Amino acid sequence: NFMLTQPHSVSESPGKTVTISCTRSSGSIASNYVQWYQQRPGSAPTIVIYEDNQRPSGVPDRFSGSIDSSSNSASLTISGLKTEDEADYYCQSYDSSFMWVFGGGTKLTVL
Amino acid sequence: EVQLVESGGGLVKPGGSLRLSCAASGFTFSIYSMNWVRQAPGKGLKWVSSISSSSNYIYYADSVKGRFTISRDNAKNSLYLQMNSLRAEDTAVYYCAREGAIVGAPDYWGQGTLVTVSS
Repeated sequence: NFMLTQPHSVSESPGKTVTISCTRSSGSIASNYVQWYQQRPGSAPTIVIYEDNQRPSGVPDRFSGSIDSSSNSASLTISGLKTEDEADYYCQSYDSSFMWVFGGGTKLTVL
Repeated sequence: EVQLVESGGGLVKPGGSLRLSCAASGFTFSIYSMNWVRQAPGKGLKWVSSISSSSNYIYYADSVKGRFTISRDNAKNSLYLQMNSLRAEDTAVYYCAREGAIVGAPDYWGQGTLVTVSS
C-alpha cells in the first residue's frame, strides 16, 4: 500500500494564497483520483476538491486542486484567504481495492 | 437531504465490545458502498472498514482485522460496526461515510460517535 504525506501545518495572512502539498509514497499520483477535505474543530470533514481538481457546488472558486506527476504529489491551493478557511485539511485517495488512504492532515492557520 | 447519524459510542473497558450503528436517510442506501473512518483525539483520519452495497465485498484495515465486523441492513437503511477485543488505541471518534458519486472517496459523512476504551 502507499502513504500520503502532508506538511503538519501551514500559516498565511488573510488575502494571501497558500498551497498544501500531498505526496504519494509509491505508485503514481495520477493513477487514482485525489480528494481534499476540510475539517473544522468539532465537525465532520467536508469535501472541497474531488477527482484531483473538481470543486463541489457550494465550494468557493478560491479553492483549487492539481496534481504534479514530476513530484508525485497533489496540491490544494486556497487564494484570497479568509479567517473562516482556518481548519485542518486532508488529502485522500484509494488503493487498487478501493480502500481509502488519507494523508496525515495539515493545520491551516490564517493569521 | 443526505443524513448519516451514528450511535452506540461510549466508554468501554479494554477487551470489551461495542456495536456502532449508522442510520442513513435522504438517499437510496441500498445502492451505495459504506465505510467507517475513525479519528483518534487530536489525530488524523484513518479508514477502518468498507462494505459494498450488497455486502459482497468487505475490507478492513490491518489494525482492526479479526476484531471488527462491518455489516449492513438495507431494509433498515443501517450500517453497523461490531467492535470486539477493544484496545486503548481504538479510542476515537468513529464516522460513517458514504462512497457516492466520487469513485473511491467519501462524499457524505456523519457527525461521528466517540468510543473511549479505558479502564
